[in-house]
Amino acid sequence: QQQVKQSPQSLIVQKGGISIINCAYENTAFDYFPWYQQFPGKGPALLIAIRPDVSEKKEGRFTISFNKSAKQFSLHIMDSQPGDSATYFCAASMEETSGSRLTFGEGTQLTVNP
Amino acid sequence: NAGVMQNPRHLVRRRGQEARLRCSPMKGHSHVYWYRQLPEEGLKFMVYLQKENIIDESGMPKERFSAEFPKEGPSILRIQQVVRGDSAAYFCASSPTGNTIYFGEGSWLTVV
Repeated sequence: QQQVKQSPQSLIVQKGGISIINCAYENTAFDYFPWYQQFPGKGPALLIAIRPDVSEKKEGRFTISFNKSAKQFSLHIMDSQPGDSATYFCAASMEETSGSRLTFGEGTQLTVNP
Repeated sequence: NAGVMQNPRHLVRRRGQEARLRCSPMKGHSHVYWYRQLPEEGLKFMVYLQKENIIDESGMPKERFSAEFPKEGPSILRIQQVVRGDSAAYFCASSPTGNTIYFGEGSWLTVV
């Protein structure tokens, strides 16, 4: 019930295209859903996050779509650039009972071809 | 990212030795988390600490692993009698309170 399932495992898109990464969760007590970006040899960096009281959040080229009834959320990267090539992790947490303990998806390796 | 300081960045230990990883949280952050990332895998929660207290250690292996966050100084993740399976990247993260946590650059442990 604590798992977060992420797909696809890897994704290749052309420059200028849309990258879409999906996550699904089981635990309805999760109330915070961040996405992290990780480059090789570096730590994860917070990209964007959403709470279940909204269905969409946009920051620049990055958008999170959230479907509470389906227990799914996704990351859309518009106008994908080669510099976006990285591993992306979705995560979820229950702030009230576990602080900021995050449960991560398995990651998606994104490659954006020039 | 740069605000959470971890050292060493890379550590090589022989089987049976001890590994000690240090983490200084961002200024003003009193919550520290340790995560482990095995090669080609996602991050797994290990332990959540506040100053002088372990809040949640449900992700820590029962043996050989320990963590502390003393009143003064950095948080320490200690792995005794390391084995090859301990080879991984260990990430520390901190938060002031609430959900937003910031990760350090990681400590890469290699056990030979």
